[in-house]
Amino acid sequence: ETGVTQTPRHLVMGMTNKKSLKCEQHLGHNAMYWYKQSAKKPLELMFVYNFKEQTENNSVPSRFSPECPNSSHLFLHLHTLQPEDSALYLCASSQDTGRGGEKLFFGSGTQLSVL
Amino acid sequence: AQTVTQSQPEMSVQEAETVTLSCTYDTSENNYYLFWYKQPPSRQMILVIRQEAYKQQNATENRFSVNFQKAAKSFSLKISDSQLGDTAMYFCAFTSGGSNYKLTFGKGTLLTVNP
Repeated sequence: ETGVTQTPRHLVMGMTNKKSLKCEQHLGHNAMYWYKQSAKKPLELMFVYNFKEQTENNSVPSRFSPECPNSSHLFLHLHTLQPEDSALYLCASSQDTGRGGEKLFFGSGTQLSVL
Repeated sequence: AQTVTQSQPEMSVQEAETVTLSCTYDTSENNYYLFWYKQPPSRQMILVIRQEAYKQQNATENRFSVNFQKAAKSFSLKISDSQLGDTAMYFCAFTSGGSNYKLTFGKGTLLTVNP
């Protein structure tokens, strides 16, 4: 257990649905991240938040909308997704983003299937 | 841009034996960090080991050690006394010294430990 919890573990949604992924960390970290893990591809960084402020949006389509109400919680709101968005979505946290080489702590991910 | 290459999509090893996973990277920076992450079937990405580029000494964590060859831009992971619980995807990752959140991952190596 790394101290980062993601829910739900699995999610199946239609292209017209709206759903949200939730991430919570119990480590007292200040930075949180969303990564996308697709089959046969390296992990892709999507968003970064530091002290609740978004510091990185890696050219992610607007159908993915992140929300960070506080340093412990991170959401990813999904709407009108495409089948190619099916992937494992991983949340991670670190102490902050200011120091190089910091260790990331990951959750177990949400396996998303878009039908 | 930095790239990380893992040339072995799959490997297998007998329990109690030693196995080495390969990783090469490309960067023009002099200050950076390298990581090996493990992702077992539970999907939770777990940090195995971290190497700071300015340290010549190879990092070790119990049965896990690295062979860091800075000039060759090579960063291999050696697992000694392999255990069944070591079965997982192993990802090599790189980050610059100044901005820890921009982790660049390789595509991963699936390691299977056979009884």
